[in-house]
This record gives sequence, structure tokens and C-alpha cells, in this order.
Amino acid sequence: QSALTQPASVSGSPGQSITISCTGTSSDVGGYNYVSWYQQHPGKAPKLMIYDVSNRPSGVSNRFSGSKSGNTASLTISGLQAEDEADYYCSSYTSSSIWVFGGGTKLTVL
Amino acid sequence: QVTLKESGPVLVKPTETLTLTCTVSGFSLSNARMGVSWIRQPPGKALEWLAHIFSNDEKSYSTSLKSRLTISKDTSKSQVVLTMTNMDPVDTATYYCARIDSSGYPWTFDYWGQGTLVTVSS
Repeated sequence: QSALTQPASVSGSPGQSITISCTGTSSDVGGYNYVSWYQQHPGKAPKLMIYDVSNRPSGVSNRFSGSKSGNTASLTISGLQAEDEADYYCSSYTSSSIWVFGGGTKLTVL
Repeated sequence: QVTLKESGPVLVKPTETLTLTCTVSGFSLSNARMGVSWIRQPPGKALEWLAHIFSNDEKSYSTSLKSRLTISKDTSKSQVVLTMTNMDPVDTATYYCARIDSSGYPWTFDYWGQGTLVTVSS
């Protein structure tokens, strides 16, 4: 099972919106609505931000949203804030009954 | 309050077997909805899922590492154990355990431990 494909880095200015893509196959992202997104600050454990493609856990800002089209899922962060600067990882359950992560995207807030 | 905490050796030698323990609190491993995964992250690199144990004791393993991994649980001790054989320097990573609550966010890791850094070196 190959890792999901994410851009290595994205950047945006405070107040702007950015989107991070996560591309897989019909055996993972495209085949299930079990895509989740995690935020990781340096030296910290990942934090769940989005589950089941587009749902936010309680306590997560509504500036974070998720979507999916075909084999590609996306995380959008609107109204960028300095605290959003972090690494972001997507994950999907797969047809092999295992999980797979993306390669991670470093978000820089300019 | 749900917590998970990883423990194990900081340093292992090449070819040795690594044994890591995840001690959980705030939920029961005997609960039919609960499962725990192990996930690792080499320094400066991406997350990699390793193994999962379901509430019914069914197990799932990374395809590429399956031959080296064993996951088990001791419900009475609230612990999930991962063993990885034949350790190599490329296995140097922070190892995390994470929970899945199938009644909350199915197939999603909702709580994570703080992680434990394991270095493989002679």
C-alpha cells in the first residue's frame, strides 16, 4: 500500500485561504469516506482536525473544512492564522483493511 | 479523560527486538467500540501506520512490515503491546499509539499518546 500523495509545502498570508490536496486510489481515498486530517506542531503529537472527509470534531475551528472528489481529498483552511503553521497529514482506511498516511504538507504562514 | 502513554527502551541495538507498551486510561480496551493502533514517525519524516488491534482481538498489520510486527493487548492492565523484530537504524523513529472509537469517529485516530523516541544504534 503506497502512501497518499500530498504537496510537500504550501504557504499563505494571514487571513487568506489555502487548500492541501491528498491523492490516493480507488482502494483508499476514492473508495471510502474514511479520510481524516491531522495537524502536527513541532515536537507534538498529531491532532485530529477532520474525520470522515468533511466532519469536524468538537473544539476544532470551523475555519477548517474537508472535501473529496474522486481519489483526491482536500483540506481547506480559511482565515489563516499564525497558529495554523504546522505539518498536516491525511489518512485513509483502505480496502486491505489497513490505514495509510500521506507524506505530509508543511504549512507556512507568511 | 482519555489518555494514552507509550513506554519502552530509548535505545536498541541492530537485530534486537523492540517491545513497546501503550498504557491507556479513560476508556476500556474491553469495550467493543475501542481499538488501538501503533504509528511511527522517523525524524523529519512522515507518519507511518504500523498495526491495529480491534476490540474483538482481531489484528491488522502494515503490508510492508507484517513479518516483523506483533500487536497484542492485556485488557486487565489496560495495555497494548507492539513488538518489532530485527531492528535496523532505519527504524529509528518516534512511536505513537492512538485510539479508534468506532462509535465516535470510526476509522479515525481521535486520541494520541505523546510518543516515544526509539533510536536504533550499536
